Amino acid sequence: KQEVTQIPAALSVPEGENLVLNCSFTDSAIYNLQWFRQDPGKGLTSLLLIQSSQREQTSGRLNASLDKSSGRSTLYIAASQPGDSATYLCAVESLTGGFKTIFGAGTRLFVKA
Amino acid sequence: DGGITQSPKYLFRKEGQNVTLSCEQNLNHDAMYWYRQDPGQGLRLIYYSQIVNDFQKGDIAEGYSVSREKKESFPLTVTSAQKNPTAFYLCASNLITSGALAKNIQYFGAGTRLSVL
Repeated sequence: KQEVTQIPAALSVPEGENLVLNCSFTDSAIYNLQWFRQDPGKGLTSLLLIQSSQREQTSGRLNASLDKSSGRSTLYIAASQPGDSATYLCAVESLTGGFKTIFGAGTRLFVKA
Repeated sequence: DGGITQSPKYLFRKEGQNVTLSCEQNLNHDAMYWYRQDPGQGLRLIYYSQIVNDFQKGDIAEGYSVSREKKESFPLTVTSAQKNPTAFYLCASNLITSGALAKNIQYFGAGTRLSVL
């Protein structure tokens, strides 16, 4: 059964710092991996999607990498800003799960001004 | 604007009562999903539907029911059999694509927070 783990559960950093959020998954048979942002009491917004054949994706200050063989992904945020404060969730779509997507519990990020 | 609309934003359920959460999308997406989110946990799949008039149970379907009579609508009913319904409910949709460059980006509604009176 696919399980997705995110470490750390919470992170507080000063503004301007570069940071890395981690995601690990137990079954490497995935179709894709997606990073989402969730603001308090809101829905999820897709940030980056990496297909299983890709190694990384970039959007602005965000860079996500995927190492399928080791079951790991990282989300790198450059020059963090207070507006980046949110919960970041990682999700994988397993090849063995039909169209079901498995989510991690998220990393709650707080960027201090 | 295209998107997913969930209503109501807040809902209160009395013991023994069934309540229905609405989810509508105008993105012309094939697949729709209902997730439940509890504090400190990832999203858990309740039900999903890939086509009109067809749906499948997710990991925590007990105490819930759905229908998919129209492509754009996927309402979720929380029945009295669901003994712990207090949670944040999220609806999502995506296109079903295939091929090496297929993307399956899920789009989410703003959520409905359900509480028990």
